[in-house]
Order: sequence, then C-alpha cells, then structure tokens
Amino acid sequence: DAGVTQSPTHLIKTRGQQVTLRCSPISGHKSVSWYQQVLGQGPQFIFQYYEKEERGRGNFPDRFSARQFPNYSSELNVNALLLGDSALYLCASSRPGGSYEQYFGPGTRLTVT
Amino acid sequence: QKEVEQNSGPLSVPEGAIASLNCTYSDRGSQSFFWYRQYSGKSPELIMFIYSNGDKEDGRFTAQLNKASQYVSLLIRDSQPSDSATYLCAVNPPYGQNFVFGPGTRLSVLP
Repeated sequence: DAGVTQSPTHLIKTRGQQVTLRCSPISGHKSVSWYQQVLGQGPQFIFQYYEKEERGRGNFPDRFSARQFPNYSSELNVNALLLGDSALYLCASSRPGGSYEQYFGPGTRLTVT
Repeated sequence: QKEVEQNSGPLSVPEGAIASLNCTYSDRGSQSFFWYRQYSGKSPELIMFIYSNGDKEDGRFTAQLNKASQYVSLLIRDSQPSDSATYLCAVNPPYGQNFVFGPGTRLSVLP
C-alpha cells in the first residue's frame, strides 16, 4: 500500500502570499494531522481532521486553515505568509480516533522570502 | 514548562554499542508514547510505540515506559552507523488527539 503522499515537495513564496499544501492519507486511514517543523525543533501540531471535521487545533494564528475532503485527503492553507512560516510542513495519517500511531508523509518544504 | 523533554545531544556511541535515549513528559494522564527516527532532510519515521508500563522489544529496539516516573526510553542494541539520526519522542496527551513532540536527540554512531 502507498504511504502518505504530500504535494508539492518544495515551495518558494514571497511574504504576504498565500499557499495551499495537499495531503493524501494511507488507504483506510480516516484521520489526518498537520504539523509544522522548524529546523532543529520537533514537529508542532497545527490541526487534526477526522471525518471532515476539525478535531483539534494547535496554537497557530487564524492565517492557518485546513479542510478534509470526502476521500479523506486534506489541504492546509496559510495566508499572508511571514518569513517565520518557513518550515517543513508534515502531514500524518492515522486510523480512526487519532490516538493511534501516526505515519508521516515526506513533507513540503516551504521557504518564504 | 515544556511538555516533552529530551536531551538534544549529540549522543555519540561506538558501532556495536547500546544507545540509550531518554524522554520525560509532563501530562501524567498521557496514555500513548511513540519514538520516531528522522534522518536529515527527511520526514519522521515511526519505529516504536508503547502503551503499557514495562518493556517492548522489536528487533534491535526496546522501548521502556514508566508512567509513575513519567519517563520513556528507547534502547538501540548493536548500534550501526545507519542508526545515526535524530530520534523524536512523541506523547499523546489526555486532553486531545494530537501528538506533542520533544525537540529530538541527535544520535551519532561512530564506525
């Protein structure tokens, strides 16, 4: 079975722009979580979605939003990009419930200039 | 106060030795604990998870959990240079569905 997929792999944006990142979970997984990982730190939780509903939100500003589609894929949107948004954005999928083990995709490396 | 703490390292061990990685967490009600390996420039890879007190072994890896001491550890036996990576401890706190990660410990296995 294919693992978690994310697109694009790399992205360069300018301050103030908007970006959309995409994620497809492992087949059979219905929960998707988004994390931000800044160089040298552990991943920080942004959102979790299960059955198209937001089930958790981390300490991120309203510029960050997400949604989940009927096929359980997900998008993360970031508006009004700041230099500090430069990071590796990780998507993880898990079985229903979310407290089970999470499997990460390859990530999207976002650079804001 | 940080919720999940790890020594940042680097932890250097010779090839063939046992590497011991430690993690402490603050939420006493946490139930699920995970170890991820992350190579430079790559995404985290799940290598072990443990839900009950005691030891759990999988090949060269052993996870140890002590909920009373709020302590999780990962032992890597017969360490190989390919084990050189950053090891992330993750905890599923009782108040939500998300994972809380520690900052990671960088392990270097010297040939």
